[in-house]
Amino acid sequence: EPEVTQTPSHQVTQMGQEVILRCVPISNHLYFYWYRQILGQKVEFLVSFYNNEISEKSEIFDDQFSVERPDGSNFTLKIRSTKLEDSAMYFCASSENSLIGYTFGSGTRLTVV
Amino acid sequence: EDQVTQSPEALRLQEGESSSLNCSYTVSGLRGLFWYRQDPGKGPEFLFTLYSAGEEKEKERLKATLTKKESFLHITAPKPEDSATYLCAVPSMNRDDKIIFGKGTRLHILP
Repeated sequence: EPEVTQTPSHQVTQMGQEVILRCVPISNHLYFYWYRQILGQKVEFLVSFYNNEISEKSEIFDDQFSVERPDGSNFTLKIRSTKLEDSAMYFCASSENSLIGYTFGSGTRLTVV
Repeated sequence: EDQVTQSPEALRLQEGESSSLNCSYTVSGLRGLFWYRQDPGKGPEFLFTLYSAGEEKEKERLKATLTKKESFLHITAPKPEDSATYLCAVPSMNRDDKIIFGKGTRLHILP
């Protein structure tokens, strides 16, 4: 069964450093998303991406965050200057269209120290 | 503001003891409701999409139903492997490219 692949599975970074989280969505999907889940809290929307541009972003997704689809297969989330409160599980997801269930990856656990 | 509320927060059942999880929502003009299963340290796993009141979907021991105000996930004769957090999500009002999750119900099935 097709799956969404995320790397790395764990990342520890120092506060103020830049991190790039990587995702390979399902190949025929057109919509791509990043969500995050702080430990013990609910899954929160960050950003959606369609037709090579951001289609919607949350208030969490400020200027420190950016997304890219650099080569038609990878989908990346960059955090320019990490803060302690960025520590969370980050999930990538993709879907064929926006009103069917998304397929999520297994996540990247980001720890900012 | 869109709201998705799930209850109970946690539920412990004996193996074989059937029950139901609730998801209520305040999004107007619902265009779909999703149920996911999440195991610890993993991403949400898609279970069902429901689009209109009265619709039902089934998968093994799970059945999801939808009314105009809420959805239920019925679990019949659960097994320990059904233990997980069950998440409900709906598209945000006026945005099809953003789904909002509830906090989930942590289900624990005792052998």
